[in-house]
Amino acid sequence: QQQVKQSPQSLIVQKGGISIINCAYENTAFDYFPWYQQFPGKGPALLIAIRPDVSEKKEGRFTISFNKSAKQFSLHIMDSQPGDSATYFCAAGASGSARQLTFGSGTQLTVLP
Amino acid sequence: DGGITQSPKYLFRKEGQNVTLSCEQNLNHDAMYWYRQDPGQGLRLIYYSQIVNDFQKGDIAEGYSVSREKKESFPLTVTSAQKNPTAFYLCASSMEYSGNTIYFGEGSWLTVV
Repeated sequence: QQQVKQSPQSLIVQKGGISIINCAYENTAFDYFPWYQQFPGKGPALLIAIRPDVSEKKEGRFTISFNKSAKQFSLHIMDSQPGDSATYFCAAGASGSARQLTFGSGTQLTVLP
Repeated sequence: DGGITQSPKYLFRKEGQNVTLSCEQNLNHDAMYWYRQDPGQGLRLIYYSQIVNDFQKGDIAEGYSVSREKKESFPLTVTSAQKNPTAFYLCASSMEYSGNTIYFGEGSWLTVV
């Protein structure tokens, strides 16, 4: 029940295209869903996060869509740029849990110029 | 600058030796974490600590040990009992547990030779 399943494992997109990464969870206690961006050799950095009281959150070119009934959430990167090429991790956490976050397995995004 | 400092960045260890990875934060965060990252497997929680002098095992604690004698420090020892220690190790911290943003350090690469 602690798993967070992320797909696809890798994604190649042309510059200007839309990148979509999906995650699914099982634990209904999860109530915090962040996305992290990681460049090679660096630590992950928070990109955007959502709580289940809203179905969508947008920050610039990055949008999280959240479907509580399906227990799924996704990251959309609009107008993808070569500088977006990185590994993206979804995660889920539960309020009151000292364990903090459970991470997906990551998606390696490559944006072609 | 505020942040999380991990050292060393790169470390080589001979089989049978213990090694300690340092993690220091000046963010005044209460909670600290250690994750292990392997290709294709995302981030797995090794240990976490909510307060000084207290820590809990994560999902893959076998072969690792930690201490939390000071709020700002959370060193990780990789012991000789860890069967496959070669990995990228990430330290993180958060203001407190329960769904708050966690911040990561730059990571430490450990290679067993």
